[in-house]
Amino acid sequence: SYELTQPPSVSVSPGQTARITCSGDALPKKYAYWYQQKSGQAPVLVIYEDSKRPSGIPERFSGSSSGTMATLTISGAQVEDEADYYCYSTDSSGNLSGVFGGGTKLTVL
Amino acid sequence: QVQLVQSGAEVKKPGASVKVSCKASGYTFTSYYMHWVRQAPGQGLEWMGIINPSGGSTSYAQKFQGRVTMTRDTSTSTVYMELSSLRSEDTAVYYCARGDYMDVWGKGTTVTVSS
Repeated sequence: SYELTQPPSVSVSPGQTARITCSGDALPKKYAYWYQQKSGQAPVLVIYEDSKRPSGIPERFSGSSSGTMATLTISGAQVEDEADYYCYSTDSSGNLSGVFGGGTKLTVL
Repeated sequence: QVQLVQSGAEVKKPGASVKVSCKASGYTFTSYYMHWVRQAPGQGLEWMGIINPSGGSTSYAQKFQGRVTMTRDTSTSTVYMELSSLRSEDTAVYYCARGDYMDVWGKGTTVTVSS
């Protein structure tokens, strides 16, 4: 079955740039989506279609994709950005089969 | 405003079934697909499947094929997810999420499977 691979953890100091990667064989052909989940809360969409930011999401959140890797970048990370981040995409079968990456715990301290 | 309201927590015995509902409001129900995603305690997000509320077509993750059924009721703008043959590993929070982007999520329904 199709898999997306994320690093388990990323740690940065406040004000630094955090980069979280997501690798998958179908990413050259399929969009990546990114979700932020804080403890005890439902996930929140922060990036869609590789690099688009929903309204209400701070400009410090950006996304990119190249080849088999998508990247979520948080420029000038804030303490309130500390959360779990998940990438999501679909496989190349065309039958809407989705998959999440394993998640990355971002620590900002 | 756009809202997804899920049904309340459930406690089930192994082997039983559970049916979770997700009532949509604030948008045209049939214009957006609906995903179901679950999260076991301390674990990551797991995609279960998707339903098209317009025609009712579905696509399920291979892991849940044969055990999950997603349906919808357009008269009440509600989608349902039924999971059968429950086992302890199905203990999780179950979420519904709207559309291709999963831009709006329900608050989640806790399902506990315990003898």
